[in-house]
Amino acid sequence: SQQGEEDPQALSIQEGENATMNCSYKTSINNLQWYRQNSGRGLVHLILIRSNEREKHSGRLRVTLDTSKKSSSLLITASRAADTASYFCATLNDKIIFGKGTRLHILP
Amino acid sequence: DADVTQTPRNRITKTGKRIMLECSQTKGHDRMYWYRQDPGLGLRLIYYSFDVKDINKGEISDGYSVSRQAQAKFSLSLESAIPNQTALYFCATSLLAGGRNEQFFGPGTRLTVL
Repeated sequence: SQQGEEDPQALSIQEGENATMNCSYKTSINNLQWYRQNSGRGLVHLILIRSNEREKHSGRLRVTLDTSKKSSSLLITASRAADTASYFCATLNDKIIFGKGTRLHILP
Repeated sequence: DADVTQTPRNRITKTGKRIMLECSQTKGHDRMYWYRQDPGLGLRLIYYSFDVKDINKGEISDGYSVSRQAQAKFSLSLESAIPNQTALYFCATSLLAGGRNEQFFGPGTRLTVL
């Protein structure tokens, strides 16, 4: 069964705005990863946050992790049209399990 | 990213046919995975392998088999294809370095079973 559940399932925002996606999971984890998928293509790893970390940054990406709530968020700042894609969280315990994804659409 | 390649990229087949999807990697990773992706269901793990002699079932292995011919090659077979196996299939690799297990994906194979 799915470990991670992203919220919302779909999100449309204006270019330049910030996009926030959330991920909730059920069991303890070693780390949590976020991936991006352009339509019909393979997933690309974006960022990883370990279970003992609370926040991590990479360029316009900011990830937070709250292990007490079993949740994570991915913030994309100053969104661009090229950020239009699906975003998946994945949790690693003994194996990696992906959520169902958030479809992000950046409006021009 | 040509480090993980999948063949074929697209395949249309008929119910009952046996087909094989192949995956090769030049990343030198020990771990390889097969996933299927269906609309609204995200990625589901079919099989995974941590080295040449190690094969493990994933969440949805029924109707599938795999072979790890070498560290760089991991193939997925559908012994008797059925229409509900129509999906996008991804191969991925990882290297458990420092506990990260970051996955690197191939471009995918779009399979249609008529």
